[in-house]
Amino acid sequence: EPEVTQTPSHQVTQMGQEVILRCVPISNHLYFYWYRQILGQKVEFLVSFYNNEISEKSEIFDDQFSVERPDGSNFTLKIRSTKLEDSAMYFCASVSGTGSTFGSGTRLTVV
Amino acid sequence: AQTVTQSQPEMSVQEAETVTLSCTYDTSENNYYLFWYKQPPSRQMILVIRQEAYKQQNATENRFSVNFQKAAKSFSLKISDSQLGDTAMYFCAFMKQWNAGGTSYGKLTFGQGTILTVHP
Repeated sequence: EPEVTQTPSHQVTQMGQEVILRCVPISNHLYFYWYRQILGQKVEFLVSFYNNEISEKSEIFDDQFSVERPDGSNFTLKIRSTKLEDSAMYFCASVSGTGSTFGSGTRLTVV
Repeated sequence: AQTVTQSQPEMSVQEAETVTLSCTYDTSENNYYLFWYKQPPSRQMILVIRQEAYKQQNATENRFSVNFQKAAKSFSLKISDSQLGDTAMYFCAFMKQWNAGGTSYGKLTFGQGTILTVHP
């Protein structure tokens, strides 16, 4: 069964540093998402991406965040200057007609 | 905007028993999908079961079944013959049906989650 692959599985970074989280979605899917889950809390929508551009973003997705799909396969989430409160699990999801397939997530720890 | 509410922060059940997790939602949409996701300690998101709103028949997947009440906007998950491996956080989620020209197809709105513990 096709999978969504996320790397790295865990990243520790210093406050103020830039991080790039990577995702390889399912190749014939058209809609891609990033979600965030702060420990112990619910999963929150960050941004959706369709036709090589952002289609919707949440209030969380401020100017520190960006997404791109530079080569038609990798789908990246960049946080320009990390804050302590960015520590969370970040999930990439790839969508087909039957629903979402999630990657296994990247645990981001900002120290 | 859609909202999803899970009113049970924690539940517990004995192995081999049956447990029901509750979920209610609010939407003005008529066509949509509802999901239950399982999140074990590894924190991976695993799809448990899916229900299309236009279907009156409740979805079932082996030991997992739902009670979908569209008018009441209720979508509960029943786990029969609970196993130790069912211990996890369970999330209820809502997704609008695709519509032509829609650019955010597939966006999920999640409930707060219910931590289920299965005891031996």
